Formats: sequence, C-alpha cells, structure tokens
Amino acid sequence: NAGVTQTPKFQVLKTGQSMTLQCAQDMNHEYMSWYRQDPGMGLRLIHYSVGAGITDQGEVPNGYNVSRSTTEDFPLRLLSAAPSQTSVYFCASSPGTGNQPQHFGDGTRLSIL
Amino acid sequence: GQQVMQIPQYQHVQEGEDFTTYCNSSTTLSNIQWYKQRPGGHPVFLIQLVKSGEVKKQKRLTFQFGEAKKNSSLHITATQTTDVGTYFCAGGYGNKLVFGAGTILRVKS
Repeated sequence: NAGVTQTPKFQVLKTGQSMTLQCAQDMNHEYMSWYRQDPGMGLRLIHYSVGAGITDQGEVPNGYNVSRSTTEDFPLRLLSAAPSQTSVYFCASSPGTGNQPQHFGDGTRLSIL
Repeated sequence: GQQVMQIPQYQHVQEGEDFTTYCNSSTTLSNIQWYKQRPGGHPVFLIQLVKSGEVKKQKRLTFQFGEAKKNSSLHITATQTTDVGTYFCAGGYGNKLVFGAGTILRVKS
C-alpha cells in the first residue's frame, strides 16, 4: 500500500495563479481531509469529505475548493493564489469519521510570490 | 469554535532529561490523539485515548487523559536524540478533530 500520496511535493506560484494539489489514498478510507500547517498554528482544517460526492468546509475554507468524485481522490484547488496561502498542505484520510486516527500524506510545500 | 491549547510551544532539553507537553480544552472531548512530526516530515499517529482517566504507555512515552476528558499530557522519560520533532495533540469534538499548535522538542546531546 502506498497510503496517502500527495503531488506535487513543492510548488512556487505567482499571485493570482490557480492550481490543484492532488491527493490519493489506496486504503479505501471514507474520510479525507486537507490541512494547512503554519508556524505556531498547528494544523488547521480546510475542507473535508465523509465519502464520495460529499464535501464540507473546515476551519479555514476561504480561497479553496474541493471535490470528491471517487473514494480514492480528493483534490484541493486554489482559485486565485494569494501570499497568505503560502503554507505546507497535508492531506489525510481515515477509515471512519473525522475524529479517528488520521493517515497523513508527505505534504506539499507551497510558496506564493 | 473549539480550541485545543497546547503548551509549551517549544522545549529544549539535555539528552536524558524528561519532557512533558500538555493540552487543554474548555469543553469535553470525545477522545484525544497524539501525533509526532519529525523535522521536514508529516504527522504520524502515536496513540488515541478515549476513557476518562486513561493512561497508556509506549516504551518511554506515557500518555494521560484527564478525569473530566478536557486535558491530556504526553511525558517522555529520559529523552533521546531520536525524540526530536513536534508533538501534536488533537481533540475529538463530535466527528471532527481539532489540533493543538504543537510542542517543538529539541534534544541536546
């Protein structure tokens, strides 16, 4: 099992550009989520999904979109990148609900210039 | 919204010294989880506590969940250089997890 796979690992964007961060898991987990990690602020939930076709907002959803067309994939879209979105982004999954132990991907380090 | 406060933010210890990080919630938690993140890595699940007053051990690590299910601690006995990283607690509120800000542990050899 590869677990949770995120691509790309690193990305530099210019302000106003859009891009999609990819996340895939091969564990047949129903729950998937996206977090951003900033120094001194821990992991903050952006969006989550409890199953294919179902998504919901987390703590910091503004500027991001998600979709869940399959159980395996949960892409995160930045619509118009801003410097405040410079961060490390982690995708996570769990077999049950969102309060169960999470399996994290390796992360995407994103810089917005 | 729900918040989990974690202290200290940073701790620098001599190898062999003990280390403790604490988490606190203003409301009752359904569970508490602990994760470790090595520098440059991703968070890795360590353990989950569910019952009031629960204590679990993993070798030199001791995890406690408070009687009121509002606080938790992670204690490392006799730290080693392999213990360096950031330790996060995550509190369960309903179907969601809320992460603390983390404690960065540095170990001097």
